[in-house]
Amino acid sequence: RKEVEQDPGPFNVPEGATVAFNCTYSNSASQSFFWYRQDCRKEPKLLMSVYSSGNEDGRFTAQLNRASQYISLLIRDSKLSDSATYLCVVNIMSGTSYGKLTFGQGTILTVHP
Amino acid sequence: NAGVTQTPKFQVLKTGQSMTLQCAQDMNHNSMYWYRQDPGMGLRLIYYSASEGTTDKGEVPNGYNVSRLNKREFSLRLESAAPSQTSVYFCASSEARGSSTDTQYFGPGTRLTVL
Repeated sequence: RKEVEQDPGPFNVPEGATVAFNCTYSNSASQSFFWYRQDCRKEPKLLMSVYSSGNEDGRFTAQLNRASQYISLLIRDSKLSDSATYLCVVNIMSGTSYGKLTFGQGTILTVHP
Repeated sequence: NAGVTQTPKFQVLKTGQSMTLQCAQDMNHNSMYWYRQDPGMGLRLIYYSASEGTTDKGEVPNGYNVSRLNKREFSLRLESAAPSQTSVYFCASSEARGSSTDTQYFGPGTRLTVL
């Protein structure tokens, strides 16, 4: 079983739509969580961290459910520029191993006019 | 301020050839990382360097070696390239303050094909 699993999609949505991505992780020792965005043939970039109480950044809302080991990302009012691959990322902290991230395979989003 | 830079951007090798991928960061970060990205696999950690002078294996270290030349530079070497090493390679860096929210910044990647 992969440590971080995502629905690879692709998700094809019209502009203005609301879309949600889900992610599950297997290691209950996971301590921090992130969503990264990767444009086609580009490097990953941090979209937002995910906090236990849930957090929002403009049109983006991230939720964490530690009991179910589940993370979500909600995008409201989708824009063409939101088209990208969204990577669910988990950090397991232990001893000197801080900063090592485990990546999901990514969910592809295409927003069309 | 260039962030994380990688060279080369593209490379084609024949099986058995060797090469070194270069990475440099100008953000005064302590930690640096090498990942590979393959279709359907996500990014996988090859090696990392928590601080200058230290390196450790990640998830898929076989067939690779690394050198943390100084605080800015972290190179990845393929001694005898194999077709299974065809991939996109990303270097990343972070402050690694020990915080669980430490952000990693990625370079633009090197696309490597081994024939």
